[in-house]
Amino acid sequence: ESVLTQSPATLSLSPGERVTLSCRASQSVSSYLAWYQQKPGQAPRLLIYDVSNRATGIPARFSGSGSGTDFTLTISSLEPEDFALYYCQESNNWPLTFGGGTRVEIK
Amino acid sequence: EVQLLESGGGLVQPGGSLRLSCAASGFTFSSYAMNWVRQAPGKGLEWVSSIPASSDYTRYAASLEGRFTISRDNSKNTLYLQMNSLRAEDTAVYYCAKAFSGWFFDFWGQGTLVTVSS
Repeated sequence: ESVLTQSPATLSLSPGERVTLSCRASQSVSSYLAWYQQKPGQAPRLLIYDVSNRATGIPARFSGSGSGTDFTLTISSLEPEDFALYYCQESNNWPLTFGGGTRVEIK
Repeated sequence: EVQLLESGGGLVQPGGSLRLSCAASGFTFSSYAMNWVRQAPGKGLEWVSSIPASSDYTRYAASLEGRFTISRDNSKNTLYLQMNSLRAEDTAVYYCAKAFSGWFFDFWGQGTLVTVSS
């Protein structure tokens, strides 16, 4: 089982700032990594798949990078609607696993 | 428009059973793998189970210890999760999710709450 560790647990930032979220896997997940955004009371939304591909309708300010065991989600300039929880997920191995999440909150 | 509508959640006593359903529309259900993901109150996301379009195999989280069964009826565009021997730790919102690019999840239902309590 691949364990995904996200850091930091919480980020306190202001609109307009650049944010970088980390996801580290306990074993290689190749390029089978995705990022999701979840707001309170809502289902998660797919942002990025296969490390760096934006899902349909996702703004260009969201980007993903990395390979093997270390991955990053970058939001180039935070918009008010970006304050939320973010999860990474890998699909290279069974069982599928999610990271513990990073909360991006308003400073 | 893709829509996934879960139902069947509710309050159940420990040791009891529930069957969740997920009615799909807006896409060719029989062509896509489907999944269940759950989220305990205030906690993160946990993958539960997956089934490919053809139902020729299934996959489960180890924590379920054989108590849950995923199935689908492509003629009814519906995904199911039979949950037996429920425990307090199964209390969660259960989401069905459409598979995308392998085993990522591009569309999610609104979730159905399962509460296991006496």
